Amino acid sequence: GQSLEQPSEVTAVEGAIVQINCTYQTSGFYGLSWYQQHDGGAPTFLSYNGLDGLEETGRFSSFLSRSDSYGYLLLQELQMKDSASYFCAVNDDKIIFGKGTRLHILP
Amino acid sequence: KAGVTQTPRYLIKTRGQQVTLSCSPISGHRSVSWYQQTPGQGLQFLFEYFSETQRNKGNFPGRFSGRQFSNSRSEMNVSTLELGDSALYLCASSLREEGTDTQYFGPGTRLTVL
Repeated sequence: GQSLEQPSEVTAVEGAIVQINCTYQTSGFYGLSWYQQHDGGAPTFLSYNGLDGLEETGRFSSFLSRSDSYGYLLLQELQMKDSASYFCAVNDDKIIFGKGTRLHILP
Repeated sequence: KAGVTQTPRYLIKTRGQQVTLSCSPISGHRSVSWYQQTPGQGLQFLFEYFSETQRNKGNFPGRFSGRQFSNSRSEMNVSTLELGDSALYLCASSLREEGTDTQYFGPGTRLTVL
């Protein structure tokens, strides 16, 4: 079967760094994507890893290890506006999403 | 470019009824995917249409169906509605390029089944 595992909730302090992990088990794999969804909003694309290693986009970085079927999203210099749900998604022949990680940020 | 649009935004139906949701993708995007989102279940893939053909299908009963028109607009239909069908239905369009295939989501249709 196909499955993606990520923590349901993570709490961090404003200004700090937080890492959201994602492990996957899928029949096919092109790459790992990350999406952000604020309450009441639509998911928006954050990053994509097709190859092993780190991809950096401003305060956000994403990492992939194909051999470990593992990836993570790293958020630095946390801001209150980063409070949202974060979804990892495997790009197979279709896009399979994890159940999402709710990020709570404390002032 | 205009984003993905979905109509209606909110819908209230009763059990046993049927419903049709509409999605207009970003201009130039030929792939439209549909997802069901419920609390705690993330985004569950329903199906994908590409160039008017269903390309992939998720694990949903046959009551869920869809189609795509020549202008890439897509509709999703749910027949014989059940209480458990209450959810946010999201559509996403993409260029359908192998690998990245970034999904651009619409605002969703909030369906409530009473």
